[in-house]
Order: sequence, then structure tokens, then C-alpha cells
Amino acid sequence: AQKITQTQPGMFVQEKEAVTLDCTYDTSDPSYGLFWYKQPSSGEMIFLIYQGSYDQQNATEGRYSLNFQKARKSANLVISASQLGDSAMYFCAMREGGSSASKIIFGSGTRLSIRP
Amino acid sequence: NAGVMQNPRHLVRRRGQEARLRCSPMKGHSHVYWYRQLPEEGLKFMVYLQKENIIDESGMPKERFSAEFPKEGPSILRIQQVVRGDSAAYFCASSPSVPGRPSGANVLTFGAGSRLTVL
Repeated sequence: AQKITQTQPGMFVQEKEAVTLDCTYDTSDPSYGLFWYKQPSSGEMIFLIYQGSYDQQNATEGRYSLNFQKARKSANLVISASQLGDSAMYFCAMREGGSSASKIIFGSGTRLSIRP
Repeated sequence: NAGVMQNPRHLVRRRGQEARLRCSPMKGHSHVYWYRQLPEEGLKFMVYLQKENIIDESGMPKERFSAEFPKEGPSILRIQQVVRGDSAAYFCASSPSVPGRPSGANVLTFGAGSRLTVL
């Protein structure tokens, strides 16, 4: 069975500091994809970054990077130089399988608050 | 390039009434997903559909809930005889199907959500 775990319900970080949001997953399928989404207070879900299980390098997208440790089954999101606009809920998600016929499941989220 | 369109954005129903939530996927996307989010919680998978087919409905309650994605028109999530516990935000997402690529690369694009309040 799939499982995504985010153990940090909330975090406070000073503006301009880097922050790491934790995510661990559990799957027996060798082929899977990992995603991070941001949900600001306005409610929409914004895609941030994707990592495939066979990708050799950690994914990066601007200030976002994914610290993918396959043996530990962790996919932590790193935000460098945090900004006030980064305050939001952050969700880790996973899709199993090598076909498109599989669902994506989400973790419970981490609420990130950036202090000025 | 319109994104994923959901309507209504807000819906108020009394207990026992029916709620219908609509979702039009992004142009070119053939896969639709429905998720439910309770306040201060994560997104719970409900159902995954392709045109005229339900692929995975493992997250759907056994009673009162149904979903469809017809050949023409939007996907519909239908909740019959609503109860207060159905009050939540319902998100629709769509993705393309890219043959030959790992499925995880098919990123979900979300709609703005439909917020159902049951009085």
C-alpha cells in the first residue's frame, strides 16, 4: 500500500533562511514519481517540483530543490532564501507505477510560516 | 490556455439535497482526478477517470457518491442526500497521457476547488 508521511505539521522560518520540509514514502513499486505542491491561503494547489524514481540527479526548479534519498525513501523539499510569499501549506505526493493508470496520493502537509 | 475549470466555486446545500460539482480539464488532458480536502487536512483521493471510464474509485464512499466523465462535457462529481460531514473543498485535477514516459511525469494541474457547505 502507498503511504506518504509528513511529520512536521508546522514550521516557522526567518525570511531569507533556507528551509527543509520533510517527506518520507513507502512503496514496493520500483517505478514511482514524487511531487511537491504548495497551497497558499487562497486555496489553489500549485505544482512546485517533480522527481522520478529512476532520475539520477536531484530535481531543481529555481529556489526549490528536492533532496531525494532513495535508500531512505525520503524526498525532502528544500527552499533556499525563503520569502514572505512562501508562507503556505506544502504537500508531498507520490504516484506509483509505470503506466498512467495510477492515482496520486498526498501527505498531510506542512504549514510553513515565514517571519519578516 | 484555460486551466482546469471547476464550478460552482461555492455551493450551499441543506441536508438531504443533492450536490453536483463540475470539472472541465485542461485542453488536451484526458485524465481527471477528484480529491476532497477537509479544513486543515491534506487531500484525500476519491476517484480517477478517463473519458467514459472509471479507472480507480478506491477513495469513493460506497454510498451517495458517484462520478462520471462523459465523452462530451465536463466531469461530474455527484453527492446525493448530502450530510454535514460532506462539507469540504472538492478539488479536481487533470493530467495528460504521454505514451512512453513514466507516469509520474504526468503532473496534475488543479482547479481552484469547489467548496461545499451543508447546512
